[in-house]
Amino acid sequence: DGGITQSPKYLFRKEGQNVTLSCEQNLNHDAMYWYRQDPGQGLRLIYYSQIVNDFQKGDIAEGYSVSREKKESFPLTVTSAQKNPTAFYLCASSIGWASPAYNEQFFGPGTRLTVL
Amino acid sequence: GNSVTQMEGPVTLSEEAFLTINCTYTATGYPSLFWYVQYPGEGLQLLLKATKADDKGSNKGFEATYRKETTSFHLEKGSVQVSDSAVYFCALSISSNTGKLIFGQGTTLQVKP
Repeated sequence: DGGITQSPKYLFRKEGQNVTLSCEQNLNHDAMYWYRQDPGQGLRLIYYSQIVNDFQKGDIAEGYSVSREKKESFPLTVTSAQKNPTAFYLCASSIGWASPAYNEQFFGPGTRLTVL
Repeated sequence: GNSVTQMEGPVTLSEEAFLTINCTYTATGYPSLFWYVQYPGEGLQLLLKATKADDKGSNKGFEATYRKETTSFHLEKGSVQVSDSAVYFCALSISSNTGKLIFGQGTTLQVKP
């Protein structure tokens, strides 16, 4: 079955440490996205990538970094510069801008990051 | 700017009651509109969508109509079940080549037996 996987489901980090969240998709989608979700709030876009080896900042990119070396993978690093990293992180993908369904995003199950 | 506003939650209903969750938007251009559902501890699932004015999206008994004149996309269901308990997000995508979604803050629905 095609889909998006995120690992780990739960992640604990000490203050001052960088941590990398995994996101893999086998849907053959060109575009991938990272969102942050805080309690009682909607999703906020961190970074997105429309094609391999290219990515753009979203609305809250400070303290985060990404890479897109393979079509299937879009890892997110939460750096020590992120002042309030405890949140639920969601990865998504879409088929790509060339398709009429380009804006229909499919989501992974999420990673809950807690800073101790 | 572009934004989405949803009614405040939580919404608490008895099983088989009628559901309405209000969603209004502000957007430049001609957005596509979406409803996503999030069950506890999970990611989001696309529930339904509409891509132009007067389109009606429907899925699993849920419906929403794209109303350009009132800039609204209210979610409705005639008879809710306990299994519908979840958080519902309204979202829009502006007509561009980025595919970016703008989400409302979410509305929690609790259905009691």
